[in-house]
Amino acid sequence: SSELTQDPAVSVALGQTVRITCQGDSLRSYYASWYQQKPGQAPVLVIYAKNNRPSGIPDRFSGSRSEDTASLTITGAQAEDEADYYCNSRSSGNHLVFGEGTKLTVL
Amino acid sequence: QLQLQESGPGLVKPSETLSLTCSVSGGSIDSSSSYWGWIRQPPGKGLESIGNIYYSGSTHYNPSLESRVTISVDTPTNQFSLRLSSVTAADTAVYYCARLTLYGSGSHIEYWGQGTLVTVSS
Repeated sequence: SSELTQDPAVSVALGQTVRITCQGDSLRSYYASWYQQKPGQAPVLVIYAKNNRPSGIPDRFSGSRSEDTASLTITGAQAEDEADYYCNSRSSGNHLVFGEGTKLTVL
Repeated sequence: QLQLQESGPGLVKPSETLSLTCSVSGGSIDSSSSYWGWIRQPPGKGLESIGNIYYSGSTHYNPSLESRVTISVDTPTNQFSLRLSSVTAADTAVYYCARLTLYGSGSHIEYWGQGTLVTVSS
């Protein structure tokens, strides 16, 4: 079983704000990274470290952390944001763990 | 721009060994800040980290797979490889190779291969 817990599904109205959360003990020590995956495609990094976005990722994506919970926030969700979102963290021994994923629906 | 490409058989028989290679282009596999990893995704399911390797050969494996996994690196050819032994149908998945960046406060995976589907079936 995954050491990071995510809600299986979340929905948001077009243009509204949505928060996707990820909970786990490793997040007390390490920042989460977040990945967007659309059907048939490889995951794409959207947030890493404290709150960094790779080049090309819109600034409506942001990240935060409080104790053992990391959050990915999309401010002003767009239709193209509909996807699966996975959190990821380092665990003991430099092994990486993923959350189970959250399916985001934009209504 | 760094690019990664998986290669290997798309069909493996139960109890045999799955072998995949990842070819890295647009950058050197012996970059001091880079780890190289394998991640898989069973059909319709989530992502699972298999393990990763530093160019020096230091490895870190998923504890649930550690007894069956070997990841190796070949710096002259700029490739790294995965071997997973004693496979069963549960090992059927899309296998991704990726470049990992690990640092004191966390990690991230910015570069991914396109993924290759490996089916375990007789």
